[in-house]
Amino acid sequence: AQTVTQSQPEMSVQEAETVTLSCTYDTSESDYYLFWYKQPPSRQMILVIRQEAYKQQNATENRFSVNFQKAAKSFSLKISDSQLGDAAMYFCAFTSNTGNQFYFGTGTSLTVIP
Amino acid sequence: NAGVTQTPKFRILKIGQSMTLQCTQDMNHNYMYWYRQDPGMGLKLIYYSVGAGITDKGEVPNGYNVSRSTTEDFPLRLELAAPSQTSVYFCASSLTGINQPQHFGDGTRLSIL
Repeated sequence: AQTVTQSQPEMSVQEAETVTLSCTYDTSESDYYLFWYKQPPSRQMILVIRQEAYKQQNATENRFSVNFQKAAKSFSLKISDSQLGDAAMYFCAFTSNTGNQFYFGTGTSLTVIP
Repeated sequence: NAGVTQTPKFRILKIGQSMTLQCTQDMNHNYMYWYRQDPGMGLKLIYYSVGAGITDKGEVPNGYNVSRSTTEDFPLRLELAAPSQTSVYFCASSLTGINQPQHFGDGTRLSIL
């Protein structure tokens, strides 16, 4: 079975600073996809970034970037120039290319301090 | 541009009652999903559908049923509600596969007393 682990239940960052959220996963698959989703207090899940495991290059989306270490099974999210609107729960998620299941971690609550 | 719409937003049920959570999407997505989110936890997949007439179990399907008669609609039915089904339920959709970005509804908060 696949597992996704987020070891930081809570994190905080000063506005305009950089923060990194950690995620590790366990799988025997070689082809899979990793995601970071954001859940603000409004509750709606929003995709932040998506990484295809066969791509060596780390995905980036504006101020959001990942550090994907396939051998270490690590997928951290870096948020640069943090803004108040970045405050939310962040979930790491995994799906393989062969299965039809989708697994979320338990989330990291990010607070942005003005 | 509505996206994924879930109704109701809140509901309280008594133990043993049944109800249907509605989900509809207007993006012509093939894949649709139902998740539950328990307090302090990530989402868990209940059921998914790859197209009209085709559904399959996710990680936690027990106590639930689904159907997909149209591309747009994917209702989730709870039979004989139990306190363990108290949760927030999310419906989502994606265009071509589970490895594609999913678009989520606003969720339904369900309490069973």
